Amino acid sequence: DAGVIQSPRHEVTEMGQEVTLRCKPISGHDYLFWYRQTMMRGLELLIYFNNNVPIDDSGMPEDRFSAKMPNASFSTLKIQPSEPRDSAVYFCASSLEGPRNTGELFFGEGSRLTVL
Amino acid sequence: EDQVTQSPEALRLQEGESSSLNCSYTVSGLRGLFWYRQDPGKGPEFLFTLYSAGEEKEKERLKATLTKKESFLHITAPKPEDSATYLCAVQVWGGADGLTFGKGTHLIIQP
Repeated sequence: DAGVIQSPRHEVTEMGQEVTLRCKPISGHDYLFWYRQTMMRGLELLIYFNNNVPIDDSGMPEDRFSAKMPNASFSTLKIQPSEPRDSAVYFCASSLEGPRNTGELFFGEGSRLTVL
Repeated sequence: EDQVTQSPEALRLQEGESSSLNCSYTVSGLRGLFWYRQDPGKGPEFLFTLYSAGEEKEKERLKATLTKKESFLHITAPKPEDSATYLCAVQVWGGADGLTFGKGTHLIIQP
């Protein structure tokens, strides 16, 4: 299996621009998570889906952030408009039967976002 | 609010020099405690799950232990390839399915 695939790996944009990050989870996994990692705050859970349905978006920082999962093999995280404080590494992770069973999340390699 | 605190923030050891990393947690009701390893430029990779005080898990040179307030990741006779950031995470009863992570311990093993 190819694992969780994220794109782009690196994104540099200017403040005010729209940013779209993409994720393809592992086939058959029914949970998908979006995390953000910074030096100051570490890994923070933004939102997660179960069977393509958003379950908890309480970690989404503000209305500028939105996430969708139109089908079991694709999810997007969108920031519009972007701000310099959004600069971070964004990780997508997927899990089979939810992490309540083993706690094992499979992470992608991340998308490093820099907003100038 | 659930909190996970890891110490030290960074640790530099000589090859073969054993040590322990600490993860202390304050949660309403622990469902599970998890250890992950993260290499530079990569996503975290799962190592262990611990569910109850007294439980231990081992994998090669790593051993994770759990008490009611903290977890330790013991590293025995480490090698340079053990250099990484080690992350601790918790999940609570009645909470969301996502994990709450600590900020990690950056471990460097010098040859």
